[in-house]
Parts: sequence; structure tokens; C-alpha cells
Amino acid sequence: DAKTTQPPSMDCAEGRAANLPCNHSTISGNEYVYWYRQIHSQGPQYIIHGLKNNETNEMASLIITEDRKSSTLILPHATLRDTAVYYCIVRSTGTASKLTFGTGTRLQVTL
Amino acid sequence: DSGVTQTPKHLITATGQRVTLRCSPRSGDLSVYWYQQSLDQGLQFLIQYYNGEERAKGNILERFSAQQFPDLHSELNLSSLELGDSALYFCASSPHLRQGDYPGGYTFGSGTRLTVV
Repeated sequence: DAKTTQPPSMDCAEGRAANLPCNHSTISGNEYVYWYRQIHSQGPQYIIHGLKNNETNEMASLIITEDRKSSTLILPHATLRDTAVYYCIVRSTGTASKLTFGTGTRLQVTL
Repeated sequence: DSGVTQTPKHLITATGQRVTLRCSPRSGDLSVYWYQQSLDQGLQFLIQYYNGEERAKGNILERFSAQQFPDLHSELNLSSLELGDSALYFCASSPHLRQGDYPGGYTFGSGTRLTVV
């Protein structure tokens, strides 16, 4: 699976959009981009995934660049409860399904 | 409630002892994954079972073993415990074996916090 690079930390004001970047320059054609988050010491929570098109669900939007070398997770109206570590993971379709977590981005949402 | 149940939530035990952590996957999910999260290591994949069979192995110590039973629940056995085994242990589940069969996300349980003293 391709390696990802994320900033270690970010801040966001409550009510504003949080844009979390992820670089995955070595991604290959059959690899999906996944985002998970972990709030404090709870179990990681799946947010969204995509292959090459932008995706949106009730939690977030995922924007993948046309060359697929980077992506951005967007939380449109961040709340204090969105304070968490966000993990960007690239995973291929053909292998066993294990997820490999990196160090992620610690998002702090403030008043 | 994610649908993945892990017991116990907390466990305190002495060095050298053996413990068993239990995981019940979400209804209908056939794959179970175990992860370890310690302060200095982040989330580390340990092992995957699919429909009762071991299918992938990560950084799992020889002192650790796991199994998945016919009712699909899984147990992670940790023996000869050391102080460094203190960590959060998470179980996750998904419906299928391979990424290509099911591109959706895993569902994680709330974890077992193991403290070795």
C-alpha cells in the first residue's frame, strides 16, 4: 500500500470548515483513499473513502486531485466533538484487507 | 454503539500472567482484525481472521495468539505478559476478506485497556 504524509497537527475554529490534507504521491491505480478518525482513546471511526471521484457523505467530503497524488478531507462545519486524530490511509483492492495506520493529523477545534 | 463488542473494557494484571481478550464482530461480518495501540507505537495491526481461518499476520509477538470461533467471535490470548504489553487492544470487523470484495470501512470496537503491573 502507498505511503501517506499528513501534517502532525492543525487547528480550526468551531463552525468553520476544517480542511485536512494528505499526500499520497506513490498511489497506484487500484488503491483507494480512506479516512478514519480516533477521538481520544476510542476505537477508530470510518469517515469516508474514494477512488478517483470526489465523495460526500453525512460526515465529510473527500476531494481527490485529478492525478490522485493528494487528497483533502473537509469537515464543513467543525464542532468541538470533531477534535480527534485523523488518519489518511491508502489501500489496494487486491490484497488482504488490513489497514495500516500512520501517525495522522491531530485536529484541535477551538471556540 | 458500533456493533463490535469487546470485553473486558479494562484489565489489570501482573507480569508473567496470561489474559484473554474477546471480540464479537458486527452482525454479518466475517472478518475480524486485531490492533494494538501503545503510547509510543500508534495503531499496529496484529492479525486478521476470516470465517475461522487466519488470513493475515502483522507485528504479532509469538507470546500472542488468536482464534476465531464458529460463531465468528474472536479471542486474543496474551501470555507471559510484560510491562511493555500495556496498551489498548482494538478489534475491528468487516464483511469480507479482501479490499476488492468490499471497499467500505471497517467497524472498530471501543477497545480493551490492558495494564500490566
